[in-house]
Amino acid sequence: AQSVSQHNHHVILSEAASLELGCNYSYGGTVNLFWYVQYPGQHLQLLLKYFSGDPLVKGIKGFEAEFIKSKFSFNLRKPSVQWSDTAEYFCAVMDTDKLIFGTGTRLQVFP
Amino acid sequence: EAQVTQNPRYLITVTGKKLTVTCSQNMNHEYMSWYRQDPGLGLRQIYYSMNVEVTDKGDVPEGYKVSRKEKRNFPLILESPSPNQTSLYFCASRPLLGSAGELFFGEGSRLTVL
Repeated sequence: AQSVSQHNHHVILSEAASLELGCNYSYGGTVNLFWYVQYPGQHLQLLLKYFSGDPLVKGIKGFEAEFIKSKFSFNLRKPSVQWSDTAEYFCAVMDTDKLIFGTGTRLQVFP
Repeated sequence: EAQVTQNPRYLITVTGKKLTVTCSQNMNHEYMSWYRQDPGLGLRQIYYSMNVEVTDKGDVPEGYKVSRKEKRNFPLILESPSPNQTSLYFCASRPLLGSAGELFFGEGSRLTVL
């Protein structure tokens, strides 16, 4: 079965810094990949998804992610973070009938 | 408005007292699922349902039951809650076709078992 690794558990940045959160999945073939965001006290919302085509995927709020098949990776990036990006970020991969989530990365952005 | 609605949002209960967390979606989705979220463990799937009267175990089904008598509802039942079921629970749904697997989540239900 698929698994997802998010190596950064807690990231602290100042506003305007660049962000990259790592995500690796366990095996190849056709994959559907997702990044979800959970703002404090809220439910998960989709940031972006990849299922085919251009490996550079653009999502909401200025986020993007790059699918690199050879590295089994789907890292999330944002050139300049804002205080409002403080949240927990989850990478997920579709495996047959279910979405497998990583353990999440908590991002704190200070003004 | 398209949404997944869970109730209750917050609940404190005691060991052994049966409880049900309801989940309802208004998007006519075939697939519904329950996850629990625990610090450092991310989201883990408890049960899922591909359609009415079809349910399957996820990764952590022990201590839980579900039913899918109607397409829109997917209640999570804790017959005899224990403290290790203290967690944040999310219900989610998606269509079987056309969403590439994207899940739509409810607001979450925070359960504390004393």
